[in-house]
Amino acid sequence: DAKTTQPPSMDCAEGRAANLPCNHSTISGNEYVYWYRQIHSQGPQYIIHGLKNNETNEMASLIITEDRKSSTLILPHATLRDTAVYYCIVRVVDPWTNAGKSTFGDGTTLTVKP
Amino acid sequence: ETGVTQSPTHLIKTRGQQVTLRCSSQSGHNTVSWYQQALGQGPQFIFQYYREEENGRGNFPPRFSGLQFPNYSSELNVNALELDDSALYLCASSLDPRARAGVTNEQFFGPGTRLTVL
Repeated sequence: DAKTTQPPSMDCAEGRAANLPCNHSTISGNEYVYWYRQIHSQGPQYIIHGLKNNETNEMASLIITEDRKSSTLILPHATLRDTAVYYCIVRVVDPWTNAGKSTFGDGTTLTVKP
Repeated sequence: ETGVTQSPTHLIKTRGQQVTLRCSSQSGHNTVSWYQQALGQGPQFIFQYYREEENGRGNFPPRFSGLQFPNYSSELNVNALELDDSALYLCASSLDPRARAGVTNEQFFGPGTRLTVL
């Protein structure tokens, strides 16, 4: 199973962009990169995902390197409410059986400061 | 559209007992996965249920078992509880991406059940 590596913690000033890196050097061709965040031990909240192209939605942007061995989640204008643990995971779903598995690391604790 | 719900929110058991946790998937989602999250760690995949059968399992012993019902809701059962089973148990639902065009398989998580084993 592909594993992910993230820095344990990061700080960001309110209003600035938060760039959260993730290493997934053992990712296989059919595994997607997903990002979730978790606030105060609530259930993880889905942010964004991608396979090999860069993706953007209303919450964030996801930049995946060409070799797919790493990615960066970008929160363009961080707010205090973005303080959370951010998880980068790899997820594969068997297209024949729908069998799926998500492998979480320990995440990055992002602290947005005023 | 209702989100993923779990019950109970908190539970205290003693070592050796058995526990059942429940999950209702998001409306229309036919796949349910269970995760264990120890304090300070990321969630660890326990297993996944689809069409009322287990179709994926992580590195957890057989005393962790589950069920899925025709309405896609699910149960997680843990027998012979150990102190290390104390954790937040998360349920996540998703939709089989083969169900219709344009569907992707992101998981939506419930709020979790906090289990304490004394």
